[in-house]
Amino acid sequence: GAGVSQSPRYKVTKRGQDVALRCDPISGHVSLYWYRQALGQGPEFLTYFNYEAQQDKSGLPNDRFSAERPEGSISTLTIQRTEQRDSAMYRCASSLGGTSKLSETQYFGPGTRLLVL
Amino acid sequence: QKEVEQNSGPLSVPEGAIASLNCTYSDRGSQSFFWYRQYSGKSPELIMFIYSNGDKEDGRFTAQLNKASQYVSLLIRDSQPSDSATYLCAALLGSEKLVFGKGTKLTVNP
Repeated sequence: GAGVSQSPRYKVTKRGQDVALRCDPISGHVSLYWYRQALGQGPEFLTYFNYEAQQDKSGLPNDRFSAERPEGSISTLTIQRTEQRDSAMYRCASSLGGTSKLSETQYFGPGTRLLVL
Repeated sequence: QKEVEQNSGPLSVPEGAIASLNCTYSDRGSQSFFWYRQYSGKSPELIMFIYSNGDKEDGRFTAQLNKASQYVSLLIRDSQPSDSATYLCAALLGSEKLVFGKGTKLTVNP
């Protein structure tokens, strides 16, 4: 596709349910990032992949959060046993994945708005 | 805690004026800095990056970096109402992770 796509765009779930958020990066982009953005705040880094390898998961809040990118393209962010505090906009970004990140543009998707009741 | 600080604003300027957006960062290991623009309800989009001390100009936008002072700024010349948005400053930590500030909301009044 022309840009990063995410689905669903909106997700309402009950506390305790599991949710899976999907990200489809720009074709050919090696690097994929997950962020969480609260209202009035900047994006907060969650995790990052190069191809299928998860390079950094230091931003995942706790072990209820996990992410995978099994074939190096589409990625899924899973939140188990959701809590109300998980409510936020979850954004995915992708980049070419060149040798230097100093000048590399991350292209953001439209986000998934998660509301946990 | 590695932080990027921005004045949340709102910053209001008249059309045609220069808008000055500022950002400080705490980690001296940060190598590169990015300015993203985010319209209300939309996703962030990159305006400029800078990784060398000094100024970098691109059209109406000028990014300035002072590593000694750990300070980054974005100047928007001849501000237009279409520039009204939240501007996010981000620092590249290590080689891969972007840390964003909270953003500064800019309003350009016609």
